[in-house]
Amino acid sequence: DIQMTQSPSTLSASVGDRVTITCRASQSVRNWLAWYQQKPGKPPKLLIYKASTLESGVPSRFNGSGSGTEFTLTISSLQPDDFATYFCQQYNSYCTFGQGTKLEIK
Amino acid sequence: EVQLVQSGAEVKKSGESLKISCKGSGYSFTRYWIGWVRQMPGKGPEWMGIIYPDDSDSRNSPAFQGQVAISADKSISTAYLQWSSLKASDTAMYYCARAVSTGGSFYFDFWGQGTLVTVSS
Repeated sequence: DIQMTQSPSTLSASVGDRVTITCRASQSVRNWLAWYQQKPGKPPKLLIYKASTLESGVPSRFNGSGSGTEFTLTISSLQPDDFATYFCQQYNSYCTFGQGTKLEIK
Repeated sequence: EVQLVQSGAEVKKSGESLKISCKGSGYSFTRYWIGWVRQMPGKGPEWMGIIYPDDSDSRNSPAFQGQVAISADKSISTAYLQWSSLKASDTAMYYCARAVSTGGSFYFDFWGQGTLVTVSS
């Protein structure tokens, strides 16, 4: 099984900040990596697929990069709506999610 | 508009059976895989299995093999997740999601609202 590890587990930031979340795979997943945003009581929402392709309707302040075993999700200027939990998911071999990064208001 | 509407919350006892549903609309239901995902409180999602409604081809995650059954009825655009004997450890939120398949694996572009299953011992 491919394990996905996110860091940090919790991130405190302010509106307007630039933040980066990291996701590491236990073996190469090439660029088969997606990012999701989840708010309390809601299902995950797809933000990015194929490591860097923005899903339709997702603001351009979200950016994904990386390949192989290391990936990042960057939010260039945090907005109030961005405070949520973020998950990565590999889909090179079956499907595995990371444990999540909670982005909270500082 | 793509929608996946799941059945309502369930409260069951250990040993009971359960079948929850997920009805798709706003797209061609038979042309996309539907996956089931478990999420326990405060944890990351876990993929359970996936089904192609057109021919009911399905695959289960090894972690859930033999624990649940996935089925679909394409005539009513509905997928199902079923347990024959629930355990307290099955208490979780369960989501269905439309899967985009890429060479045998997949990510999920639309999600149902979730079905909370609570199992008491």
